[in-house]
Amino acid sequence: GQQLNQSPQSMFIQEGEDVSMNCTSSSIFNTWLWYKQEPGEGPVLLIALYKAGELTSNGRLTAQFGITRKDSFLNISASIPSDVGIYFCAGLTYSGGGADGLTFGKGTHLIIQP
Amino acid sequence: EAQVTQNPRYLITVTGKKLTVTCSQNMNHEYMSWYRQDPGLGLRQIYYSMNVEVTDKGDVPEGYKVSRKEKRNFPLILESPSPNQTSLYFCASSQSQGIFTHFGPGTRLTVT
Repeated sequence: GQQLNQSPQSMFIQEGEDVSMNCTSSSIFNTWLWYKQEPGEGPVLLIALYKAGELTSNGRLTAQFGITRKDSFLNISASIPSDVGIYFCAGLTYSGGGADGLTFGKGTHLIIQP
Repeated sequence: EAQVTQNPRYLITVTGKKLTVTCSQNMNHEYMSWYRQDPGLGLRQIYYSMNVEVTDKGDVPEGYKVSRKEKRNFPLILESPSPNQTSLYFCASSQSQGIFTHFGPGTRLTVT
């Protein structure tokens, strides 16, 4: 099946730093999604991207749908303690029968050092 | 408040003892899905439903059953649980096909 390679696996940063993470695949996706998961909770949808080249912001978060449709990037500016969590990318494709299942990356664990 | 609820949140059981994890959403969403999350493997789809009485297999359906008799509820049934089904389970719902916007808080299942 399709696979997403998400990197880095974990990040240790200082409060106030900017963060970048990405997802790549050998397959083309029609939609890219970014989720955040905090301990003991389910994933929360942060940003959805629908078009190649699209750049979308949600507060201090900015995500881009790669031109090749095989990758996506998430940036967090001026990180704060509540940004701690695991960030997942997910890709969606559409076939004749409608949307295929979401493929998730394995996550980037963001840790902010005081 | 728009939400997906799951029960129980934690469950320890023994091999072979049938169990059901309930999932309910209050947003009138058409699409619902079950995922399992395992270390190193990420989130994998078990089953999904496009509407009442319409369900289909995801990537890892073996050993699971689902039903969708009402729009708001999507229970996950393990007829004969085995230790390899020890995992963290999430129910999700959405109004748009495939783009799951709301996840439940998770059910941590341990099968001994």
